[in-house]
Amino acid sequence: DADVTQTPRNRITKTGKRIMLECSQTKGHDRMYWYRQDPGLGLRLIYYSFDVKDINKGEISDGYSVSRQAQAKFSLSLESAIPNQTALYFCATSDRGGSSTDTQYFGPGTRLTVL
Amino acid sequence: QKEVEQNSGPLSVPEGAIASLNCTYSDRGSQSFFWYRQYSGKSPELIMFIYSNGDKEDGRFTAQLNKASQYVSLLIRDSQPSDSATYLCAVRGGSGGYQKVTFGTGTKLQVIP
Repeated sequence: DADVTQTPRNRITKTGKRIMLECSQTKGHDRMYWYRQDPGLGLRLIYYSFDVKDINKGEISDGYSVSRQAQAKFSLSLESAIPNQTALYFCATSDRGGSSTDTQYFGPGTRLTVL
Repeated sequence: QKEVEQNSGPLSVPEGAIASLNCTYSDRGSQSFFWYRQYSGKSPELIMFIYSNGDKEDGRFTAQLNKASQYVSLLIRDSQPSDSATYLCAVRGGSGGYQKVTFGTGTKLQVIP
């Protein structure tokens, strides 16, 4: 079984709809992240969480919210989806340790299309 | 100036050749550096990381870091068609704090059989 899972894997929705993307991990990592990837723009950080009570905005948090329901679960919500939120979304995890080799492990991604 | 810059490519090399991928970064305080491989439509997967100046080898892959010149490179020896993918450079730390990881936009590598 995959260590980091994301649901759904693909989603098509309409402008104005509320959407939730879910991420679960069995790696036992404390840190979880949400990224979006757009052609030519690379991976950009939306939100990150270092533990259940620690949630922080990334570089492009506007229009998004998150919930860390448990150590293993981190959800991303689009309260009112708009077409420019069409992208590939990745969840990632990393282990606490504070070492410079704090490597991130990515889920399989969710392809979201907003019409 | 972008924080992490990579040539988008595509970089085409013949099978068996050495592929050289380069990445420059702007924040001199950056602490650690990662290379990820991403196949089309798939998630990034870690190839290797480096945080000390010099070379680090892992199988056919060698990462090179030069903090004075602010660049990191990835060499792939004996390139195989299965190496064809986009390679992402990521940089952790610097003025944004340790938790900040910035990705480059990636270099597309094509290995020609």
